[in-house]
Amino acid sequence: GENVEQHPSTLSVQEGDSAVIKCTYSDSASNYFPWYKQELGKGPQLIIDIRSNVGEKKDQRIAVTLNKTAKHFSLHITETQPEDSAVYFCAASIQSGTYKYIFGTGTRLKVLA
Amino acid sequence: NAGVTQTPKFQVLKTGQSMTLQCAQDMNHNSMYWYRQDPGMGLRLIYYSASEGTTDKGEVPNGYNVSRLNKREFSLRLESAAPSQTSVYFCASSDQNYGYTFGSGTRLTVV
Repeated sequence: GENVEQHPSTLSVQEGDSAVIKCTYSDSASNYFPWYKQELGKGPQLIIDIRSNVGEKKDQRIAVTLNKTAKHFSLHITETQPEDSAVYFCAASIQSGTYKYIFGTGTRLKVLA
Repeated sequence: NAGVTQTPKFQVLKTGQSMTLQCAQDMNHNSMYWYRQDPGMGLRLIYYSASEGTTDKGEVPNGYNVSRLNKREFSLRLESAAPSQTSVYFCASSDQNYGYTFGSGTRLTVV
């Protein structure tokens, strides 16, 4: 069945450094790839997304890249700040028309001050 | 501007008891979803409703039922709770092919 693998499961970086989280998906029909940030005790919140007709998208300090051939997509956070500490989930769309996603298992990011 | 509202936030059940988790959205979204979140397993889809009047099974539907009461409300029912259903439950909604808006979750413990 469809699968999304996410790495690493935990990531610690010094404040100001960059963080990269990588995901691999299996369904070649996937065409939409959102990223969510989940803070403690809260629901996941959409932070950035990318569609299959685009290779890269940036929004201030965060960016997402997509390699459809390799079925890889990545989240890049630059100039990390303590408030970036959270769990990040990638997701990939499945079954076009139903707006269903399959999620990765999450990456716990710790930004050390 | 409430978004997606879930009730209750916390619940403790005894094995075999039943309960309904409520979810309401005020964004006029067509699609609604129920996920469960377990440590190390990410978010897994229980049931979804692509539009008012329709519901379909997701990845882990056993032990659950759902009702799409109207366009705003989508409830999840546990008929006979089991310890394996201890989890955090999230409701979400979406419109067309955009990312979900999630609620703040219900933390359920079955003892």
